[in-house]
Amino acid sequence: SQQGEEDPQALSIQEGENATMNCSYKTSINNLQWYRQNSGRGLVHLILIRSNEREKHSGRLRVTLDTSKKSSSLLITASRAADTASYFCATAEYQGGKLIFGQGTELSVKP
Amino acid sequence: NAGVTQTPKFQVLKTGQSMTLQCAQDMNHEYMSWYRQDPGMGLRLIHYSVGAGITDQGEVPNGYNVSRSTTEDFPLRLLSAAPSQTSVYFCASSSPRHGQETQYFGPGTRLLVL
Repeated sequence: SQQGEEDPQALSIQEGENATMNCSYKTSINNLQWYRQNSGRGLVHLILIRSNEREKHSGRLRVTLDTSKKSSSLLITASRAADTASYFCATAEYQGGKLIFGQGTELSVKP
Repeated sequence: NAGVTQTPKFQVLKTGQSMTLQCAQDMNHEYMSWYRQDPGMGLRLIHYSVGAGITDQGEVPNGYNVSRSTTEDFPLRLLSAAPSQTSVYFCASSSPRHGQETQYFGPGTRLLVL
């Protein structure tokens, strides 16, 4: 069974707005990763956050992790049409462990 | 570096046929994985390998075989194709032992089983 549940399943916003996606998981983890997939392409890694971290930034991306609630959120600020893609969270129970992916959030950014 | 390459890009099979999906990486990564992606779903792990000669099952291994004779290659074999195996297949590699826990994905193979 899949570890991560993502919410919302689909999100449509205007360019310049912020986009927030949430991920919940079931078991304890070593790290949580976010990936992006453009239509018909492979996944591209965005950011990794470890279980002892609460927040991490990378450019316009901000990821938070709440291990007590077993949840994470991905915030994309000042979104662009080029951010249109599906976003997946994935968890590893231990360092180097296999990744279990969520079902993804489909983001549409309208110009 | 080419990264992770997959062949073929697209394949049509008839029920009962067998085939091998090829995956190769040139980054000297010890970990390699196969996933399938079905419409509206995330990726589900089929098989993975932590090094040459070592493989293990993921969430959905039935109907698939793997072997890892070299660090570079990790082929996925469909023994007797079924329509339920129609999917997009992704190969990925990583190197957790060297602090590289993120996975690098190939472009995918689209498989249609009639």
